[in-house]
Amino acid sequence: KNQVEQSPQSLIILEGKNCTLQCNYTVSPFSNLRWYKQDTGRGPVSLTIMTFSENTKSNGRYTATLDADTKQSSLHITASQLSDSASYICVVSPKTSYDKVIFGPGTSLSVIP
Amino acid sequence: NAGVTQTPKFRILKIGQSMTLQCTQDMNHNYMYWYRQDPGMGLKLIYYSVGAGITDKGEVPNGYNVSRSTTEDFPLRLELAAPSQTSVYFCASSYPDGGNGYTFGSGTRLTVV
Repeated sequence: KNQVEQSPQSLIILEGKNCTLQCNYTVSPFSNLRWYKQDTGRGPVSLTIMTFSENTKSNGRYTATLDADTKQSSLHITASQLSDSASYICVVSPKTSYDKVIFGPGTSLSVIP
Repeated sequence: NAGVTQTPKFRILKIGQSMTLQCTQDMNHNYMYWYRQDPGMGLKLIYYSVGAGITDKGEVPNGYNVSRSTTEDFPLRLELAAPSQTSVYFCASSYPDGGNGYTFGSGTRLTVV
């Protein structure tokens, strides 16, 4: 069964610190992997997208990595800001049905002063 | 540029009542989706549409119906509301290959009592 798991479930860090969120998936073969940021009360917004052949993708202070061999991805946030407080969702698209993507449960990040 | 617009933002229904969640997009996306998000769970696909006049079931379609008469609009209908349908509902749209990711609406928080 195609699944996407994320860890940790929740995380609290001090403003200015770095953090790394993890995503493990069993989807195979897959077309691409995306990370979304979801602010409280809002819809998810795309941060990065990587195809199976890409290893890393950056978007400002956000850097996503992908290891297709171990089926793991990580999202690294550098110099965190209060506005980074949100849920971060890993999403994997199966190669055979990109219209039926699989969402992870998300990691809830709280950045405190 | 409005993107994906959902209405209403909040709604309380009594068991057995019916309602329609509205969704419209102005990006000329062919693909549209309805998801529900329950606490601690990944988004689950209810229904999706690959173009006007074409709809298909997702992972959790029971208790819902959709229609797609135009490219812009994709309403979701609840016929006989049940407490299990208490959730946050998100509408999304994308290009056929999903290459730029999904654009999500801001969500509808529905409570069935």
